[in-house]
Amino acid sequence: GQNIDQPTEMTATEGAIVQINCTYQTSGFNGLFWYQQHAGEAPTFLSYNVLDGLEEKGRFSSFLSRSKGYSYLLLKELQMKDSASYLCAVRGNNQGGKLIFGQGTELSVKP
Amino acid sequence: DAGVTQSPTHLIKTRGQQVTLRCSPKSGHDTVSWYQQALGQGPQFIFQYYEEEERQRGNFPDRFSGHQFPNYSSELNVNALLLGDSALYLCASSLYNRLSGNTIYFGEGSWLTVV
Repeated sequence: GQNIDQPTEMTATEGAIVQINCTYQTSGFNGLFWYQQHAGEAPTFLSYNVLDGLEEKGRFSSFLSRSKGYSYLLLKELQMKDSASYLCAVRGNNQGGKLIFGQGTELSVKP
Repeated sequence: DAGVTQSPTHLIKTRGQQVTLRCSPKSGHDTVSWYQQALGQGPQFIFQYYEEEERQRGNFPDRFSGHQFPNYSSELNVNALLLGDSALYLCASSLYNRLSGNTIYFGEGSWLTVV
């Protein structure tokens, strides 16, 4: 079967660093995506990894290990506005680009 | 360059009714995928349309159907609505034959409440 696991909830302090992990088992792989979703809104794209290693984009970084079926999203210098749900999603290798999502990690940033 | 547009943004329906949601893909995209996101869950893939045909389907009953038009826009229809169909319905557009890079774009979603 196809499965993506990520923690349900995390709490962190403003200014700190937090790492959100994601493990996946899918029948095919053609990229891993991270999305941020604030309550009541649609997901917004954060990062994309298709090769092993770290991708950095400002305060956000994402890491991928294909052999381990593992990724993490690293958020630095946390701000209150980073409180949101973070979704990990894997694109299979079928044409069309279907995404399989995890259930999302609800991050609460506290002062 | 218009992104993915969905309509309506919010709607309320009664159990047993039917609903149609609409999506226009990003300019230049030829594939539309629909996702259902229940409260507190990640989006679940419903189905995908390319060249006016359903190409892939997730684990959803036949009450969920769709259509794609020659201009690549798409509709999602849900018949005999149940309370459990209350969710955010997301449309994503992409290019069918391109699997590299970030080529998936989401619309703002349609919030459906079934009462």
